[in-house]
Amino acid sequence: EIVLTQSPGTLSLSPGERATLSCRASQSVSSISLAWYQQKPGQAPRLLIYGASSRATDIPDRFSGSGSGTDFTLTISSLEPEDFVVYYCHQHLTSPYTFGQGTKLEIK
Amino acid sequence: EVQLVESGGGLVKPGGSLRLSCAGSGFTFSNYAMNWVRQAPGKGLEWVSFITSDGTYSYYADSVKGRITISRDNAKNALHLQMNSLRVEDTAVYYCARVRGSLSDFWGQGTLVTVSS
Repeated sequence: EIVLTQSPGTLSLSPGERATLSCRASQSVSSISLAWYQQKPGQAPRLLIYGASSRATDIPDRFSGSGSGTDFTLTISSLEPEDFVVYYCHQHLTSPYTFGQGTKLEIK
Repeated sequence: EVQLVESGGGLVKPGGSLRLSCAGSGFTFSNYAMNWVRQAPGKGLEWVSFITSDGTYSYYADSVKGRITISRDNAKNALHLQMNSLRVEDTAVYYCARVRGSLSDFWGQGTLVTVSS
């Protein structure tokens, strides 16, 4: 099983700042099989990034993804108030498909 | 507009059974594989099961293998999850998700399953 470890668990920043979220895999993951989701309270996860760096439909360009192998990053260039929610990385390379434990973005 | 609507959740006693359903619309349901993913209260996401577009193949997480069966009825645009021998630790919101390749690209709003005596 591929274990995904996200860091930090909680990130405290202010609107307008840049956020950098990390996802480390226990073994190499093909970039095409790494995705990021955003989850707002009481809502289903929404696909943000797929293929490690491609934005999903209607996702603002302040969201970007990068990385390869075992280290992946989600960057939010300038935080908006609605961005202060939870983010998950996800590998769909091999079953069992796994998720990171999540990073909560909170307002400082 | 793509829509996935889950139903069938509720309160069940340990050892009991429940059948979840997911109705798809706004896309050609039979062209897509599907996943079930769950989220325990206040916890992260856990993949549960996958089924191919034609229902030929299915996969399960070890935590549910032997107790849960995924199926689909493409004529009715419906996905199902039959859950037996339920445990307290199966308590979660269960989401169905459309799969593109192996990526869950669109999720329903979920249905809550509570296993408690």
